Amino acid sequence: DTGVSQDPRHKITKRGQNVTFRCDPISEHNRLYWYRQTLGQGPEFLTYFQNEAQLEKSRLLSDRFSAERPKGSFSTLEIQRTEQGDSAMYLCASARTGTEKLFFGSGTQLSVL
Amino acid sequence: AQKVTQAQTEISVVEKEDVTLDCVYETRDTTYYLFWYKQPPSGELVFLIRRNSFDEQNEISGRYSWNFQKSTSSFNFTITASQVVDSAVYFCALRQGAGGGADGLTFGKGTHLIIQP
Repeated sequence: DTGVSQDPRHKITKRGQNVTFRCDPISEHNRLYWYRQTLGQGPEFLTYFQNEAQLEKSRLLSDRFSAERPKGSFSTLEIQRTEQGDSAMYLCASARTGTEKLFFGSGTQLSVL
Repeated sequence: AQKVTQAQTEISVVEKEDVTLDCVYETRDTTYYLFWYKQPPSGELVFLIRRNSFDEQNEISGRYSWNFQKSTSSFNFTITASQVVDSAVYFCALRQGAGGGADGLTFGKGTHLIIQP
Protein backbone atom coordinates (compact mmCIF):
# COMPACT_ATOMS: atom_id res chain seq x y z
CA ASP A 1 0.00 0.00 0.00
CA THR A 2 1.37 3.39 -0.93
CA GLY A 3 -0.90 5.06 1.61
CA VAL A 4 -3.47 7.82 1.44
CA SER A 5 -2.01 11.01 0.00
CA GLN A 6 -3.33 14.49 0.70
CA ASP A 7 -2.35 17.74 -0.98
CA PRO A 8 -1.43 20.35 0.09
CA ARG A 9 -0.09 19.64 3.56
CA HIS A 10 -0.65 23.23 4.63
CA LYS A 11 -2.86 25.98 3.29
CA ILE A 12 -3.04 29.56 4.51
CA THR A 13 -5.80 31.70 3.09
CA LYS A 14 -7.62 34.91 3.78
CA ARG A 15 -11.19 34.95 4.96
CA GLY A 16 -13.60 34.89 2.04
CA GLN A 17 -11.32 33.03 -0.33
CA ASN A 18 -12.10 29.60 -1.79
CA VAL A 19 -9.82 26.64 -1.16
CA THR A 20 -9.67 23.13 -2.58
CA PHE A 21 -7.96 20.07 -1.12
CA ARG A 22 -7.17 16.82 -2.85
CA CYS A 23 -7.11 13.26 -1.54
CA ASP A 24 -5.68 10.25 -3.34
CA PRO A 25 -6.85 7.08 -1.58
CA ILE A 26 -5.18 3.71 -1.69
CA SER A 27 -5.81 2.49 -5.21
CA GLU A 28 -8.05 -0.50 -4.57
CA HIS A 29 -10.12 1.22 -1.88
CA ASN A 30 -13.60 2.17 -3.05
CA ARG A 31 -14.71 3.84 0.18
CA LEU A 32 -13.48 7.34 0.92
CA TYR A 33 -14.16 9.61 3.91
CA TRP A 34 -13.45 13.21 4.84
CA TYR A 35 -13.03 14.24 8.47
CA ARG A 36 -12.16 17.52 10.15
CA GLN A 37 -10.06 17.79 13.31
CA THR A 38 -9.47 20.86 15.46
CA LEU A 39 -6.85 21.20 18.15
CA GLY A 40 -7.53 19.05 21.16
CA GLN A 41 -10.49 17.31 19.59
CA GLY A 42 -11.12 14.03 17.86
CA PRO A 43 -11.84 13.93 14.14
CA GLU A 44 -15.39 14.81 13.10
CA PHE A 45 -17.03 13.02 10.19
CA LEU A 46 -17.87 15.23 7.19
CA THR A 47 -18.79 13.01 4.26
CA TYR A 48 -18.49 9.56 2.71
CA PHE A 49 -18.13 8.19 -0.84
CA GLN A 50 -18.73 4.70 -2.13
CA ASN A 51 -16.91 4.79 -5.46
CA GLU A 52 -18.09 8.04 -7.10
CA ALA A 53 -21.36 8.27 -5.15
CA GLN A 54 -21.55 10.58 -2.17
CA LEU A 55 -23.72 8.55 0.19
CA GLU A 56 -23.55 10.43 3.45
CA LYS A 57 -23.05 14.03 4.54
CA SER A 58 -22.79 15.30 8.08
CA ARG A 59 -24.81 18.27 9.27
CA LEU A 60 -21.40 19.84 9.89
CA LEU A 61 -21.01 20.14 6.13
CA SER A 62 -22.53 23.54 5.40
CA ASP A 63 -23.52 24.76 1.94
CA ARG A 64 -20.08 26.29 1.58
CA PHE A 65 -18.51 22.84 1.55
CA SER A 66 -18.64 20.54 -1.45
CA ALA A 67 -16.89 17.27 -2.09
CA GLU A 68 -16.51 15.26 -5.26
CA ARG A 69 -15.05 11.99 -6.36
CA PRO A 70 -15.66 12.13 -10.09
CA LYS A 71 -14.14 8.86 -11.24
CA GLY A 72 -14.25 6.96 -8.01
CA SER A 73 -10.56 7.48 -7.44
CA PHE A 74 -9.24 10.79 -6.05
CA SER A 75 -11.51 13.19 -4.21
CA THR A 76 -11.60 16.95 -3.75
CA LEU A 77 -13.03 18.98 -0.91
CA GLU A 78 -13.79 22.63 -1.68
CA ILE A 79 -14.63 25.30 0.86
CA GLN A 80 -16.12 28.49 -0.53
CA ARG A 81 -15.99 31.87 1.20
CA THR A 82 -13.79 30.54 3.98
CA GLU A 83 -14.36 31.68 7.55
CA GLN A 84 -11.97 31.67 10.48
CA GLY A 85 -13.97 28.84 12.02
CA ASP A 86 -12.99 26.65 9.08
CA SER A 87 -9.40 26.55 10.35
CA ALA A 88 -8.70 22.91 11.09
CA MET A 89 -6.92 19.79 9.90
CA TYR A 90 -8.86 18.12 7.09
CA LEU A 91 -8.30 14.39 7.04
CA CYS A 92 -9.05 11.91 4.29
CA ALA A 93 -9.41 8.18 4.87
CA SER A 94 -10.07 5.21 2.63
CA ALA A 95 -11.08 1.58 3.06
CA ARG A 96 -11.98 -1.52 1.11
CA THR A 97 -15.61 -2.56 1.03
CA GLY A 98 -16.30 -5.12 3.72
CA THR A 99 -13.58 -3.95 6.06
CA GLU A 100 -13.72 -1.56 8.97
CA LYS A 101 -10.07 -0.59 8.90
CA LEU A 102 -9.69 2.99 7.74
CA PHE A 103 -6.37 4.22 6.39
CA PHE A 104 -5.88 7.93 7.06
CA GLY A 105 -3.77 10.46 5.23
CA SER A 106 -1.59 13.00 7.03
CA GLY A 107 -4.17 15.71 6.47
CA THR A 108 -4.28 19.24 5.11
CA GLN A 109 -3.88 21.94 7.76
CA LEU A 110 -6.01 24.95 6.85
CA SER A 111 -5.44 28.33 8.45
CA VAL A 112 -7.93 31.08 7.64
CA LEU A 113 -6.63 34.54 8.52
CA ALA B 1 -27.18 10.16 19.49
CA GLN B 2 -23.80 8.60 19.91
CA LYS B 3 -21.12 9.79 22.25
CA VAL B 4 -17.61 8.69 23.19
CA THR B 5 -15.98 9.97 26.35
CA GLN B 6 -12.28 9.77 27.07
CA ALA B 7 -12.03 11.41 30.45
CA GLN B 8 -8.24 11.33 30.61
CA THR B 9 -6.93 14.30 28.65
CA GLU B 10 -3.29 13.52 29.28
CA ILE B 11 -1.40 10.70 30.97
CA SER B 12 2.32 10.73 31.69
CA VAL B 13 4.17 7.61 32.84
CA VAL B 14 7.72 6.44 32.99
CA GLU B 15 8.88 3.90 30.46
CA LYS B 16 8.11 0.26 31.30
CA GLU B 17 5.08 1.15 33.40
CA ASP B 18 1.69 -0.25 32.45
CA VAL B 19 -0.96 2.27 31.48
CA THR B 20 -4.71 2.02 30.85
CA LEU B 21 -6.64 4.43 28.67
CA ASP B 22 -10.33 4.67 29.47
CA CYS B 23 -13.18 4.89 26.99
CA VAL B 24 -16.89 5.10 27.78
CA TYR B 25 -19.48 5.18 25.03
CA GLU B 26 -23.18 5.89 24.61
CA THR B 27 -25.40 4.53 21.87
CA ARG B 28 -28.99 3.39 21.46
CA ASP B 29 -28.03 0.85 18.81
CA THR B 30 -27.81 -2.83 19.68
CA THR B 31 -25.31 -3.36 16.89
CA TYR B 32 -22.27 -1.13 16.89
CA TYR B 33 -18.53 -1.16 16.45
CA LEU B 34 -15.81 0.20 18.68
CA PHE B 35 -12.34 1.23 17.58
CA TRP B 36 -9.04 2.50 18.87
CA TYR B 37 -6.79 4.67 16.72
CA LYS B 38 -3.32 6.03 17.46
CA GLN B 39 -2.22 9.47 16.26
CA PRO B 40 1.55 9.91 16.57
CA PRO B 41 3.19 13.35 16.25
CA SER B 42 3.30 12.90 12.46
CA GLY B 43 -0.49 13.27 12.53
CA GLU B 44 -1.55 10.18 10.59
CA LEU B 45 -4.18 8.16 12.44
CA VAL B 46 -3.32 4.48 12.67
CA PHE B 47 -5.94 1.77 13.18
CA LEU B 48 -5.31 -0.42 16.22
CA ILE B 49 -8.42 -2.52 16.77
CA ARG B 50 -12.10 -2.98 15.99
CA ARG B 51 -14.66 -4.72 18.18
CA ASN B 52 -18.30 -5.40 17.39
CA SER B 53 -20.99 -5.21 20.04
CA PHE B 54 -21.59 -8.96 20.05
CA ASP B 55 -18.02 -9.86 20.81
CA GLU B 56 -17.09 -9.19 24.40
CA GLN B 57 -13.94 -11.27 24.33
CA ASN B 58 -10.94 -9.36 25.49
CA GLU B 59 -8.10 -9.19 23.04
CA ILE B 60 -4.36 -9.14 23.44
CA SER B 61 -1.90 -8.17 20.75
CA GLY B 62 1.67 -8.08 21.97
CA ARG B 63 1.91 -5.37 24.62
CA TYR B 64 -1.60 -4.11 23.82
CA SER B 65 -4.81 -5.43 25.34
CA TRP B 66 -8.41 -4.31 25.21
CA ASN B 67 -11.18 -4.86 27.76
CA PHE B 68 -14.71 -4.52 26.36
CA GLN B 69 -17.52 -4.49 28.93
CA LYS B 70 -21.04 -3.87 27.66
CA SER B 71 -22.42 -3.74 31.20
CA THR B 72 -20.46 -0.55 31.85
CA SER B 73 -20.31 0.65 28.21
CA SER B 74 -16.56 0.71 28.35
CA PHE B 75 -13.79 -0.28 25.98
CA ASN B 76 -10.50 0.29 27.77
CA PHE B 77 -7.05 -0.05 26.30
CA THR B 78 -3.98 -1.17 28.25
CA ILE B 79 -0.36 -0.90 27.20
CA THR B 80 1.94 -3.18 29.14
CA ALA B 81 5.59 -2.28 29.63
CA SER B 82 5.18 1.06 27.87
CA GLN B 83 7.86 2.37 25.54
CA VAL B 84 8.75 5.87 24.40
CA VAL B 85 7.46 5.02 20.92
CA ASP B 86 4.00 4.57 22.42
CA SER B 87 3.82 8.32 22.99
CA ALA B 88 0.90 9.58 20.92
CA VAL B 89 -2.71 10.68 21.13
CA TYR B 90 -5.05 7.72 21.34
CA PHE B 91 -8.64 7.95 20.15
CA CYS B 92 -11.56 5.70 20.95
CA ALA B 93 -14.34 5.72 18.33
CA LEU B 94 -17.81 4.30 17.78
CA ARG B 95 -19.85 3.50 14.69
CA GLN B 96 -23.44 2.30 14.54
CA GLY B 97 -23.93 -1.01 12.81
CA ALA B 98 -26.75 -0.34 10.36
CA GLY B 99 -24.96 2.00 8.02
CA GLY B 100 -22.83 -0.58 6.24
CA GLY B 101 -19.82 1.64 6.51
CA ALA B 102 -21.57 4.76 5.30
CA ASP B 103 -21.82 6.27 8.73
CA GLY B 104 -18.80 8.03 9.97
CA LEU B 105 -17.02 7.22 13.17
CA THR B 106 -17.78 9.21 16.30
CA PHE B 107 -14.48 9.89 18.00
CA GLY B 108 -13.70 10.81 21.58
CA LYS B 109 -11.48 13.79 22.30
CA GLY B 110 -8.44 11.61 22.70
CA THR B 111 -5.93 10.88 25.44
CA HIS B 112 -2.44 12.28 25.04
CA LEU B 113 -0.07 9.61 26.32
CA ILE B 114 3.44 10.67 27.22
CA ILE B 115 6.01 7.99 27.96
CA GLN B 116 9.05 9.42 29.66
CA PRO B 117 12.39 7.64 29.30
